[in-house]
Amino acid sequence: DADVTQTPRNRITKTGKRIMLECSQTKGHDRMYWYRQDPGLGLRLIYYSFDVKDINKGEISDGYSVSRQAQAKFSLSLESAIPNQTALYFCATGTGTTGELFFGEGSRLTVL
Amino acid sequence: QQQVKQSPQSLIVQKGGISIINCAYENTAFDYFPWYQQFPGKGPALLIAIRPDVSEKKEGRFTISFNKSAKQFSLHIMDSQPGDSATYFCAARGGGSNYKLTFGKGTLLTVNP
Repeated sequence: DADVTQTPRNRITKTGKRIMLECSQTKGHDRMYWYRQDPGLGLRLIYYSFDVKDINKGEISDGYSVSRQAQAKFSLSLESAIPNQTALYFCATGTGTTGELFFGEGSRLTVL
Repeated sequence: QQQVKQSPQSLIVQKGGISIINCAYENTAFDYFPWYQQFPGKGPALLIAIRPDVSEKKEGRFTISFNKSAKQFSLHIMDSQPGDSATYFCAARGGGSNYKLTFGKGTLLTVNP
């Protein structure tokens, strides 16, 4: 089983719908991150959390919200999806001792 | 403001050749410079990383060269193989306890057989 699991892997939705992407991890890491990947734009940080009570905005947080339900679970929500939120979303985990991030396999979201 | 600039956007190399991807940064507080490799349909995975107190790090066919004064670092893939075909991202981490990674835009490497 994957150490960082994202659900759903693929989702097609319509403009204005609420969408939640979920991430769970079995690595025991405190730090969790949500990134967005767009062709030619690389990986951009949406939100990150260093523990259950800590939530921080990244560089592109507008239009997104997150919830850290437990150490192992970090969800990303789009309250009212719009077409320019069509992208590949990655959850990642990490520790405070190394700089390495461990990524899930991604959730591809299409907003029509 | 793009804090980590990566080039080229795409690269085609023949099998056995050397692949070189370059990155430049502005923030002198960055203290850790990893490269991530991403295959289609997969998440990025750490390939190799360097800290600014060394000028070069080698792991097998992969080498990072780091030039602190120029604020540049590069990935060299020696004897490139078709299996190396992937997207490569350089990144830089903020200093101190700030473990956010800022990524470059990525380089799509194609190694032809």
